Amino acid sequence: SQQGEEDPQALSIQEGENATMNCSYKTSINNLQWYRQNSGRGLVHLILIRSNEREKHSGRLRVTLDTSKKSSSLLITASRAADTASYFCATASISGGGADGLTFGKGTHLIIQP
Amino acid sequence: EAQVTQNPRYLITVTGKKLTVTCSQNMNHEYMSWYRQDPGLGLRQIYYSMNVEVTDKGDVPEGYKVSRKEKRNFPLILESPSPNQTSLYFCASSFNHRAAPHGYTFGSGTRLTVV
Repeated sequence: SQQGEEDPQALSIQEGENATMNCSYKTSINNLQWYRQNSGRGLVHLILIRSNEREKHSGRLRVTLDTSKKSSSLLITASRAADTASYFCATASISGGGADGLTFGKGTHLIIQP
Repeated sequence: EAQVTQNPRYLITVTGKKLTVTCSQNMNHEYMSWYRQDPGLGLRQIYYSMNVEVTDKGDVPEGYKVSRKEKRNFPLILESPSPNQTSLYFCASSFNHRAAPHGYTFGSGTRLTVV
């Protein structure tokens, strides 16, 4: 079952600008994670935010989590051409013990124009 | 180097010919999972394993089998592949089912074409 939905589906910005992607989900979660995928390659873990956290930073990445709205956002500051990729949110549900692991959204395709 | 190794990277096969995609991790992870990725559908879970000899179905298990006889290996078996199983497949592993605190480690993917 698809848990997360990213918005927008695609985003094109100029190098140096900030990129913001959003994720909405449906059920109660233990944590929410963001991954990056370069074309056809394996996904790479970027950052994890727990359900009791509201904001987290890692380098140029800033993630927020609003459990009351069941939504998260990923902000990439000072974007670079190398940030061009697809970005996925993934949720670890607490329902059913969460044994089925992470559920992924369909992703946001980010293009950084030089 | 900590990694998940999938083989083969690319595979073209014919309908009905049994195949196995191997997955091996060297991080002593307990949790392993298989996903398929299709355009417009995102990643969908096929099977997962909480530990050795413990496996369960994900969202799209039909036509697939798995086994977890050793902690490091989690092969995906297609007994009788069909064209609708043409997809990009990923194996992933983590310390636990919540993928905390370091997330999943993904393999490089297997692009399967069934003709």
